[in-house]
This record gives sequence, structure tokens and C-alpha cells, in this order.
Amino acid sequence: NAGVMQNPRHLVRRRGQEARLRCSPMKGHSHVYWYRQLPEEGLKFMVYLQKENIIDESGMPKERFSAEFPKEGPSILRIQQVVRGDSAAYFCASSPPGRGMSGYTFGSGTRLTVV
Amino acid sequence: QQQVKQSPQSLIVQKGGIPIINCAYENTAFDYFPWYQQFPGKGPALLIAIRPDVSEKKEGRFTISFNKSAKQFSLHIMDSQPGDSATYFCAATSGGSNYKLTFGKGTLLTVNP
Repeated sequence: NAGVMQNPRHLVRRRGQEARLRCSPMKGHSHVYWYRQLPEEGLKFMVYLQKENIIDESGMPKERFSAEFPKEGPSILRIQQVVRGDSAAYFCASSPPGRGMSGYTFGSGTRLTVV
Repeated sequence: QQQVKQSPQSLIVQKGGIPIINCAYENTAFDYFPWYQQFPGKGPALLIAIRPDVSEKKEGRFTISFNKSAKQFSLHIMDSQPGDSATYFCAATSGGSNYKLTFGKGTLLTVNP
């Protein structure tokens, strides 16, 4: 049973480009969460999605950031017109319905570097 | 506003020592307090967790102590080993939004052989 798969592991983008980060949840998990980890900081919640629904996006910056979790395929975190301050590690977690925090599993993250 | 404060930022101990990492929280609605272990290049992995109805929880060499009145909790690692060298994060969440973890800033632990 593969864990939460994130790709790419490392992503380099120039300022102004778009970044697309993908997350495939564990088998049987229908809830996906995205977190951002800035250098020397803890992880900060960004968004919680279920299939085709955004449940809570209270941690998402209002501009340039969007997330989706389509009926088929991985969840996508999209950052438009990236700036240097977007450089961070982005982690995805998934959980099965009804398990609460005990089923919460993180992926290995995507390290985004904006040059 | 940092809702979970973690200290120290870094910690070095000798093999066999007992590192202690402390966290304090502000939000009294928090009711679940997990600790995560993160190795370089990896995502955080759940280590141990506690709810406020108990004052201590032990799993193997890892123990959480919880002080509800002081709004503080701590992680103790007994007989620490070099393989325990990692970054440790405390976190908290509340029943109302029990999917949203609030993390401390992390403690980089180094266990020397």
C-alpha cells in the first residue's frame, strides 16, 4: 500500500511562472489537506478538500493560489505568477473518512524554489 | 499569532540522555495534541498523541506529559539514540475542525553517539 505520493519532489520556477504540485492520496483516503512549511517554521494549514469539493480554504492566500481534487486523478495545488516568498516545502496529507486525526498521513513534500 | 509555542529551537544530547521538548498553547478549544517526527527530505510522521483527559501517555521510549491548567505539554525521549536525531513538531487541533493541525515551529534534536 503506497503512502501519500507527491510529485515532483523538487520544483524550480522563475518568478512569474506557474507551479503545479500534485498529490495522490493513499488508497481508500478521500480527504486531502495541503500544508506549507517555510524555512525554520512549522507547517501551516492551507486547504482541505474532498473529491470535487473545497471544504476549508481558510489558510490559502487570497490571490494566485488555488487547489482542486477532481473526481479522477490527483489533487493539484496551483500557484500562479510565483514570487520568491513562495519558496517553501509543500506537504500534502490524506485521511480516510471517519477516522479523524488517527488516519492522517503526510507525503514527503514538494520543495519549491523560486529563482 | 502563534497559537502553539515550542521550545527549544534546537537540542543536542548524548546517546542515552533524555531530551525534553516543551510546547504551550493558547486556544482552550484544542483537544488533541500530537507530536510529529520529521527526517530530512521526508514528511512529518505521527509519533504519539494525547487528549487533555489524561496527564501522561507513554509509547515505547516516548512519553507525553500534559498540564491542562498551564496549557502546556511536553515530549520526553527515554534512552535517546542517534537514530532519534530529527526535527520534532508539536501540534494541536480542536474537535470543531479536527482536520486542521496547528504546528509549533519545531525542535531540531541531535543525539550524539
